[in-house]
Amino acid sequence: GAVVSQHPSRVICKSGTSVKIECRSLDFQATTMFWYRQFPKQSLMLMATSNEGSKATYEQGVEKDKFLINHASLTLSTLTVTSAHPEDSSFYICSAREEPGYTFGSGTRLTVV
Amino acid sequence: AQKVTQAQTEISVVEKEDVTLDCVYETRDTTYYLFWYKQPPSGELVFLIRRNSFDEQNEISGRYSWNFQKSTSSFNFTITASQVVDSAVYFCASYNFNKFYFGSGTKLNVKP
Repeated sequence: GAVVSQHPSRVICKSGTSVKIECRSLDFQATTMFWYRQFPKQSLMLMATSNEGSKATYEQGVEKDKFLINHASLTLSTLTVTSAHPEDSSFYICSAREEPGYTFGSGTRLTVV
Repeated sequence: AQKVTQAQTEISVVEKEDVTLDCVYETRDTTYYLFWYKQPPSGELVFLIRRNSFDEQNEISGRYSWNFQKSTSSFNFTITASQVVDSAVYFCASYNFNKFYFGSGTKLNVKP
C-alpha cells in the first residue's frame, strides 16, 4: 500500500531554535499533504493543508509565520517550527491522499526544552 | 461544520472478548466519508476502513466489522475475539471537502 515517510520520528531541541520535519510520499505523487498536531491523549487537529507549488492553507488560529510549510515537489512537504518554545512540544503528523483512504506518516514527537 | 463524537474514552476487555467502539457524527452535508483509523503506541495512524455516505452496507473484514446507520448517524466498529495486539487508540473521522474531522479517540486495552 501507499506509504508516507516522516522524519525525524523524535526530536529534542532548545527553546528558540527551529526544527524541520519532512513528509515524503513513497511510490505516489501527492499534490496535497496535510499537517496535524496531536496533544497527549487528544485527537488530531488539522494545522494546514500543503499544496505543491503554491502557498499552504492554514487553519484558523495557526500562526503561519511560526509553522512554515513548503511543498516544493510532488513527493515532499516540510513543516518548520520556527523559534520553538516548550508549548510547541507535541506530536506532529502528516498525511497524503492515496485511495481508498488517506495515508498518514508515522509522526514526529517534538520536545522543546 | 462536521463533528465526530466518540463517547468512550477508554475501554478495557479481556482477550477473546468482543468489543464495540461507538462513533456518532454530525453533518449537514449529503455527501461525506467516514473513516476508522488505529493508532498503536508507536504513533502512526493505520487506515482501517472508509465508507461513503451513500453506502450503508455493513462491512466485515476478518475480526473487524462496521455498522453504518444513517438514521442514527452512527458508524460503530466491532472487534470480535479481541487480541492483545488490538490494544491501541482508535479514531473515527468524517471527511468532506478535503478536511478530516476526528473524534477524540477511544483507547482500547486488551488484557491477556
